[in-house]
Amino acid sequence: DAGITQSPRHKVTETGTPVTLRCHQTENHRYMYWYRQDPGHGLRLIHYSYGVKDTDKGEVSDGYSVSRSKTEDFLLTLESATSSQTSVYFCAIRGDSNNEKLFFGSGTQLSVL
Amino acid sequence: GESVGLHLPTLSVQEGDNSIINCAYSNSASDYFIWYKQESGKGPQFIIDIRSNMDKRQGQRVTVLLNKTVKHLSLQIAATQPGDSAVYFCAENAGGTSYGKLTFGQGTILTVHP
Repeated sequence: DAGITQSPRHKVTETGTPVTLRCHQTENHRYMYWYRQDPGHGLRLIHYSYGVKDTDKGEVSDGYSVSRSKTEDFLLTLESATSSQTSVYFCAIRGDSNNEKLFFGSGTQLSVL
Repeated sequence: GESVGLHLPTLSVQEGDNSIINCAYSNSASDYFIWYKQESGKGPQFIIDIRSNMDKRQGQRVTVLLNKTVKHLSLQIAATQPGDSAVYFCAENAGGTSYGKLTFGQGTILTVHP
């Protein structure tokens, strides 16, 4: 998985609680991404980062925030989890500026009850 | 924003046959396309990519064809094997300075029967 570790791998939480998912990379890549995957929707971009403290919104960013205080970690926070945020969350990194391939982690299965 | 779509959600083939998975895209500014394979419980895995200045690119047992005139992309898998059974996604960038953001299609389920 290209040196990407997502944690936790599985989480069950209750509506209204905050949740933070972590993506850790070991290869010092500049670009990192958070996607969610739902049946019928493929993968949709939530937020992305193009450097430490440089982040921007993707197409489905409502209800999510991110932080990148150091190169290796990209955190995704659900400020107040809702049932519609039940999904599989994937972190991805981009190889380098001249290479547009994204490499994905193994995913976090999140269930919001 | 514009999105990438697939013609067929499922494809079933016999082992040894060639498989063709199709993808239509609508963003004429996209200049990079990529195919991923996703097995159950795993993250998407890179298969092959192509830039818009090319019509065809070959890898090991896989070929990607790009027809910019009709905005169509296809993935051909030669001599399909049971291990090729997975969901296949096409994706496109937004062109220009897109920070590597990719837009994904919904996916095609490929089932290979022994």
